[in-house]
Amino acid sequence: DQQVKQNSPSLSVQEGRISILNCDYTNSMFDYFLWYKKYPAEGPTFLISISSIKDKNEDGRFTVFLNKSAKHLSLHIVPSQPGDSAVYFCAATANTGNQFYFGTGTSLTVIP
Amino acid sequence: EPEVTQTPSHQVTQMGQEVILRCVPISNHLYFYWYRQILGQKVEFLVSFYNNEISEKSEIFDDQFSVERPDGSNFTLKIRSTKLEDSAMYFCASMRGQSEKLFFGSGTQLSVL
Repeated sequence: DQQVKQNSPSLSVQEGRISILNCDYTNSMFDYFLWYKKYPAEGPTFLISISSIKDKNEDGRFTVFLNKSAKHLSLHIVPSQPGDSAVYFCAATANTGNQFYFGTGTSLTVIP
Repeated sequence: EPEVTQTPSHQVTQMGQEVILRCVPISNHLYFYWYRQILGQKVEFLVSFYNNEISEKSEIFDDQFSVERPDGSNFTLKIRSTKLEDSAMYFCASMRGQSEKLFFGSGTQLSVL
């Protein structure tokens, strides 16, 4: 029962270019979405979030887009930097509960 | 910035033994979670805890698992009789309020031999 899906296990991007990480979800009750970044041997760290009342949220180099009709969100990183190389997880939750559902992650490699 | 603290960072145990994983959530947070990640797989929800009781739990969280908040600061996960398949990285997380962001600890790598 994979309610949150990240179909690309890995992505490689040149430094300075845009990284686009995608995430799809199936549960229409989800109303809050988050992106986490994880380095090896560390816990996930919060990156950016978006509420379902918005379709875009921006924080510096990071922008999250939400397309509710397609049940799709994406994370854009511009410009990409080598320090951005990590595994990125999207997560979703519904206001009716407090469980967060995570995708399987996308491993981003930014090539200098 | 305040952080979630987990101890130990690594735990090796024999199959059938009991283990207790410890977490100190952020002090003003009200919601507490355990997640785990088996190597190469997704981050899986185990249990959430609010107001001194379990609020949700997954199918993974069977009778072998229990959680406790023995005092005002610690939050523990106990596995009574470990199995080989319990080997994973276990993450504790906490959240101040509903629909806010989760803060994760750095994890405990549990290896069951």
